[in-house]
Amino acid sequence: ILNVEQSPQSLHVQEGDSTNFTCSFPSSNFYALHWYRWETAKSPEALFVMTLNGDEKKKGRISATLNTKEGYSYLYIKGSQPEDSATYLCAQVVDSWGKLQFGAGTQVVVTP
Amino acid sequence: DGGITQSPKYLFRKEGQNVTLSCEQNLNHDAMYWYRQDPGQGLRLIYYSQIVNDFQKGDIAEGYSVSREKKESFPLTVTSAQKNPTAFYLCASSIRGQQANYGYTFGSGTRLTVV
Repeated sequence: ILNVEQSPQSLHVQEGDSTNFTCSFPSSNFYALHWYRWETAKSPEALFVMTLNGDEKKKGRISATLNTKEGYSYLYIKGSQPEDSATYLCAQVVDSWGKLQFGAGTQVVVTP
Repeated sequence: DGGITQSPKYLFRKEGQNVTLSCEQNLNHDAMYWYRQDPGQGLRLIYYSQIVNDFQKGDIAEGYSVSREKKESFPLTVTSAQKNPTAFYLCASSIRGQQANYGYTFGSGTRLTVV
């Protein structure tokens, strides 16, 4: 089983501050990397699907970068708002069928 | 609106009983998946199906069974052979072969508790 690691496990952010966190994954046989946001009592929601080394994707105040050679991805939240509070999951596509290997997530709590 | 429906939201099971968790999607997705979440761990794959009448074991299939008789439906049975069934179960679907572009769509989950 391939290991996808996320750090930190949790973080607390003041409203208005920016933050970032990491997903690391095995770099061999790379297919794609997914980021999901999972708010309490809701379904995980796809944020980004990243496939190319050097990819940068942006959705509102949230952006992500990908380095497939060294096996890591960063997710950034600019000017955090309380509605950004969620668990952020990354998952690596591990075979040609699209099977995902998930990290344990980073729980983000934004306080007013 | 298209989406995935999981039912029930909460389920209580007595030891030794089999229970079936429902997952239905109206997204016309070929691929469907069952994941299990335990505290402090990532989602772990139980079973997945790429097409109707075909499915494969995931990383933790022991004690579980599935069927895929219809494209829309992928029920999961937790059997009495599953030693530690108390967990949160998530169903997901995706366009087969297009996961790299579109990602998965998830249901809202079923929390199973053995009493």
